Amino acid sequence: EDQVTQSPEALRLQEGESSSLNCSYTVSGLRGLFWYRQDPGKGPEFLFTLYSAGEEKEKERLKATLTKKESFLHITAPKPEDSATYLCAVQKRGSRLTFGEGTQLTVNP
Amino acid sequence: DGGITQSPKYLFRKEGQNVTLSCEQNLNHDAMYWYRQDPGQGLRLIYYSQIVNDFQKGDIAEGYSVSREKKESFPLTVTSAQKNPTAFYLCASSIIRSTGGYSNQPQHFGDGTRLSIL
Repeated sequence: EDQVTQSPEALRLQEGESSSLNCSYTVSGLRGLFWYRQDPGKGPEFLFTLYSAGEEKEKERLKATLTKKESFLHITAPKPEDSATYLCAVQKRGSRLTFGEGTQLTVNP
Repeated sequence: DGGITQSPKYLFRKEGQNVTLSCEQNLNHDAMYWYRQDPGQGLRLIYYSQIVNDFQKGDIAEGYSVSREKKESFPLTVTSAQKNPTAFYLCASSIIRSTGGYSNQPQHFGDGTRLSIL
């Protein structure tokens, strides 16, 4: 059975304190791994797609990386506006997305 | 601006009542999806559609129904058979790069409808 596990469940950082969020998956034949940001009461906002191990993508203070077992979302020098829940989802060939439960990030000023 | 519009933002259902959630997109996407989000759980797929007049059940379709009469619209009906309807419902859409199976292109989401029981 496909599984996606995100850790930690919650993370509290001080402004400027860099850290990483983890998304571990057990999927054979990965077709894509997706990162989303979700603010309270809103729909998820697409951030990145990673398709193969070794791939990296960056956007402002965020950088996503992918290995054969996990993906990391690195946050460099975060600001309070980066506070949100970050969702990871994986897709294998011919199948639907499987979402993790998310990591709730809080960045204090 | 292109996007996905869900309405209403909040909805209340009475016992034995069917309610319909609206989802409209102007992104010209072929595929559309409905998810349910509960606290402490990942998003779960209810239904999806890749083309007008065709749709498939997801993981938790029981108690729900959909229609796809237009490319832009994919309404979800929560029927009285759904005994635990209280949740946050999300609609999404995506392009399709290849035929068959699920698209591996990113899905773009609306801002959801929160459904509660009266």
